[in-house]
Amino acid sequence: EPEVTQTPSHQVTQMGQEVILRCVPISNHLYFYWYRQILGQKVEFLVSFYNNEISEKSEIFDDQFSVERPDGSNFTLKIRSTKLEDSAMYFCASSEFRVGNQPQHFGDGTRLSIL
Amino acid sequence: DQQVKQNSPSLSVQEGRISILNCDYTNSMFDYFLWYKKYPAEGPTFLISISSIKDKNEDGRFTVFLNKSAKHLSLHIVPSQPGDSAVYFCAASAENNAGNMLTFGGGTRLMVKP
Repeated sequence: EPEVTQTPSHQVTQMGQEVILRCVPISNHLYFYWYRQILGQKVEFLVSFYNNEISEKSEIFDDQFSVERPDGSNFTLKIRSTKLEDSAMYFCASSEFRVGNQPQHFGDGTRLSIL
Repeated sequence: DQQVKQNSPSLSVQEGRISILNCDYTNSMFDYFLWYKKYPAEGPTFLISISSIKDKNEDGRFTVFLNKSAKHLSLHIVPSQPGDSAVYFCAASAENNAGNMLTFGGGTRLMVKP
């Protein structure tokens, strides 16, 4: 069964450094998402992306964050200057359609640790 | 943000019995509700969904019930198996939301004892 893949599985970065998290969505999917889960907290929506532009972003997704689909297969999340509070699991997801009951398929996540 | 709430952080059930996981929501704009299962070190895996125009959806051992007036949904697993032990997340989305964002509950850890 096709799946969403994320790399790396664990990223350790010094505070203030830039980090790029990578995702390969399912190949025929058109809608892409990033979520994060801080330890002990809920899974939170960050951003959705369709047709090479952001469809929606949450309050968390401030100017330090950006997303890009640099080629036909990758979808990346960049954090420009990381802060301690950016430490979390970051999940990429994709869906074929935008209709709400068509599920978003999640990758296994990247654990980001900011020192 | 408590738009989707799962009030039971954990549930323990004997193998073969029914597991009932509950979820409440406050936003009447939600049109779709989804259940995801999550094992440690893995991402959430989709289980089953329901549209707000229905009150029940069944898929094998999994049934989701929606009570719109009470803003409550539940996931029934019958019979429960040890492999069902995981964290279960309820999530909701609104059709008029351009980005199709999912709003998640806090999760319920289900333990099925052999």
